[in-house]
Amino acid sequence: AQTVTQSQPEMSVQEAETVTLSCTYDTSENNYYLFWYKQPPSRQMILVIRQEAYKQQNATENRFSVNFQKAAKSFSLKISDSQLGDTAMYFCAFMKPLRGAQKLVFGQGTRLTINP
Amino acid sequence: GAGVSQSPRYKVAKRGQDVALRCDPISGHVSLFWYQQALGQGPEFLTYFQNEAQLDKSGLPSDRFFAERPEGSVSTLKIQRTQQEDSAVYLCASSLSGSGSYNEQFFGPGTRLTVL
Repeated sequence: AQTVTQSQPEMSVQEAETVTLSCTYDTSENNYYLFWYKQPPSRQMILVIRQEAYKQQNATENRFSVNFQKAAKSFSLKISDSQLGDTAMYFCAFMKPLRGAQKLVFGQGTRLTINP
Repeated sequence: GAGVSQSPRYKVAKRGQDVALRCDPISGHVSLFWYQQALGQGPEFLTYFQNEAQLDKSGLPSDRFFAERPEGSVSTLKIQRTQQEDSAVYLCASSLSGSGSYNEQFFGPGTRLTVL
């Protein structure tokens, strides 16, 4: 079974700073997807960024980028020029691409606070 | 277009009561997932539907939990004889297809269940 571990329960940075959230995972699969989801206090889970394991290039979405180290099974999220609206719970998640039940396996989450 | 909606948003039940939680997925989405999110934890998979067929219910914690999607659209998660350990946020997600390599899951706002 796959497991996802986020070792930072809480993080806090000043607005405009850069912050990196850590995630490690365990799997015997070679092909899979990794995600970072954001869950603001209103609780609607939003996809931030996606990485396919077969792609060596790290995914980037505007201020959000990942550092994907497949051999080390590490998948960190970097938020540049952080904004107050980035305050939320962030979850790292794993998915095995199956036909049908593409269930997500989530980590425990990191509570990120951006201070003015 | 409308996103995934869930009702009620909040539910308080006395121990032993039955509850029913509703999920309205995005119109046309084939796949529907239920997740359980305990306080301070990441979501955990409960069950998966492809249209009206429940293809995976491996995450349901006990036989008190039952889910259905009779017409392949709206889904209901029913919990019988609720216990305090059932207190959690129940998240519903839908995705466009059950086939192909990847389909993004769109989450609803969740139903917060508190069992007294």
